[in-house]
Amino acid sequence: ILNVEQSPQSLHVQEGDSTNFTCSFPSSNFYALHWYRWETAKSPEALFVMTLNGDEKKKGRISATLNTKEGYSYLYIKGSQPEDSATYLCAFDSGYALNFGKGTSLLVTP
Amino acid sequence: KAGVTQTPRYLIKTRGQQVTLSCSPISGHRSVSWYQQTPGQGLQFLFEYFSETQRNKGNFPGRFSGRQFSNSRSEMNVSTLELGDSALYLCASQHGTATGELFFGEGSRLTVL
Repeated sequence: ILNVEQSPQSLHVQEGDSTNFTCSFPSSNFYALHWYRWETAKSPEALFVMTLNGDEKKKGRISATLNTKEGYSYLYIKGSQPEDSATYLCAFDSGYALNFGKGTSLLVTP
Repeated sequence: KAGVTQTPRYLIKTRGQQVTLSCSPISGHRSVSWYQQTPGQGLQFLFEYFSETQRNKGNFPGRFSGRQFSNSRSEMNVSTLELGDSALYLCASQHGTATGELFFGEGSRLTVL
């Protein structure tokens, strides 16, 4: 079982704040790193799939970076909005299966 | 385009019973994988099917099994249910052989009494 750690476990920010989360994963047998957003009562939705060291991806106010050599990825949210409230999951992809972290639960209050 | 559909959405069983969950993937997707989420745990990989063959398997006991049909629909079965099997079971589909983003269903929430 591969150890994928996410921090912090939970986060509460005010609307307009920028925030970031960390995902750490094994630096060996790397194939890809996934980020998903999971809103309450909905299904997880993919944000990014990153494969190359140094990759940076952006979707609107959300961006992510990847460092495969040291085994971490950051997810950034700029100017958080209440609709960003969700659990953010990262998953280490070994090419065999996805190993998910326990997620970072984000609450954005007006 | 219809999303991933899982049935039933909720069910209650008692210890010792068995349960079958169903997953219909997005049209054209040939890979279906199953995950279990229990309180305080991340999503745990159960197995993945591609073209009716189990391609990968997670670290779960043999009571957990699955299959995939020629139309890519998949079922998972849990026999001899235990209290610890109470969980949200998520199914996800993927287009082809290369690893890419997963498209998840809303899950089947199983409660074992």
